[in-house]
Amino acid sequence: RKEVEQDPGPFNVPEGATVAFNCTYSNSASQSFFWYRQDCRKEPKLLMSVYSSGNEDGRFTAQLNRASQYISLLIRDSKLSDSATYLCVVNSQTMDTGRRALTFGSGTRLQVQP
Amino acid sequence: SQTIHQWPATLVQPVGSPLSLECTVEGTSNPNLYWYRQAAGRGLQLLFYSVGIGQISSEVPQNLSASRPQDRQFILSSKKLLLSDSGFYLCAWSVKGTAYNSPLHFGNGTRLTVT
Repeated sequence: RKEVEQDPGPFNVPEGATVAFNCTYSNSASQSFFWYRQDCRKEPKLLMSVYSSGNEDGRFTAQLNRASQYISLLIRDSKLSDSATYLCVVNSQTMDTGRRALTFGSGTRLQVQP
Repeated sequence: SQTIHQWPATLVQPVGSPLSLECTVEGTSNPNLYWYRQAAGRGLQLLFYSVGIGQISSEVPQNLSASRPQDRQFILSSKKLLLSDSGFYLCAWSVKGTAYNSPLHFGNGTRLTVT
């Protein structure tokens, strides 16, 4: 089982739609969770951190379910500019220093149609 | 504010040639530094990370190496490139000293094609 799994998509939605992505992780001891956005042939950029109580940033809402080991990202009122690949990121590797490194999912591609 | 510079943006190299990619961070001290690779249509793979000058940890065995000669400089090298080294190479930094991982901040990346 992969450490971080995402549905690769693509999710094709019309402008104004609400779309949700899920991501599952295998390490129950994971403590940090993030969503990144990656445009085609560009570097990933931090979209938002995911907190235990859930958090919202404008049209974006992130939630964490520790019991089921998944995180979600909800995008409301989709814009054409939301078209990108969304990467789920979890700290699940243990470095030899005892610290953990971030593991990236392969991403879910979103295409918002006019 | 913190910035990260990575160069070159694109590179085409023949098999067997050497490689040197450089990354520098400004506006922060003693960061954690990382090299990731993203193959076409694939996820990001952690190659190396560094918690300080001269301290390099490798995550996967390969013909690549990394060095950190200065606090905010991270270099990815190879003596002889393979076709399988083609990909999108990303340098990243994060703040050190937090209880949980802080997020990574990426450079613009280097698209390497080995021919």
